[in-house]
Amino acid sequence: DSGVTQTPKHLITATGQRVTLRCSPRSGDLSVYWYQQSLDQGLQFLIQYYNGEERAKGNILERFSAQQFPDLHSELNLSSLELGDSALYFCASSATGGGQETQYFGPGTRLLVL
Amino acid sequence: GQNIDQPTEMTATEGAIVQINCTYQTSGFNGLFWYQQHAGEAPTFLSYNVLDGLEEKGRFSSFLSRSKGYSYLLLKELQMKDSASYLCAALMYSGGGADGLTFGKGTHLIIQP
Repeated sequence: DSGVTQTPKHLITATGQRVTLRCSPRSGDLSVYWYQQSLDQGLQFLIQYYNGEERAKGNILERFSAQQFPDLHSELNLSSLELGDSALYFCASSATGGGQETQYFGPGTRLLVL
Repeated sequence: GQNIDQPTEMTATEGAIVQINCTYQTSGFNGLFWYQQHAGEAPTFLSYNVLDGLEEKGRFSSFLSRSKGYSYLLLKELQMKDSASYLCAALMYSGGGADGLTFGKGTHLIIQP
């Protein structure tokens, strides 16, 4: 158990809908990362937050957005969902967001878009 | 962007040694991580290399050559529980700071009795 929690574990929805994925970092960690993992693309970095502020951006679509709240939990919002958005979404956390730090991954949210 | 290459699948025998290779583009490179991921589970940290050379940690070792854009993960005394995917990830820096980790697609390691 990494100490990172994610809810929900599974999510099934329809195309065109909007969903919110939630992540709580390990106690004491200030930085949160979001990743998408699909069978053909592997693990793709989406976005990083540090203490409420966006720090780095990866391959995140405009239909996706995220934020980190004052209590340090984070939410990833996915809108206008498409079939291709079906994937495993991981949240990870690290102490201060330095690139060389170990990232601890949560158990993931499996999203299925029908 | 960064392009990370690692073999898709490898097979090895219980008790043996296996080496999983990873190559990456050196421009903007600032460190190399290895993660282990069992099917349907979260990736877990194995090692981090920033300087050239070998880092040993129990049955697992990781090697880095920055000039060659090359790393490998060495697993010794293989156990059945080592059957998993092994993800190579490069830490990249641009003018604005760290860009986040770029992961390879992973090497699926199958351990046979």
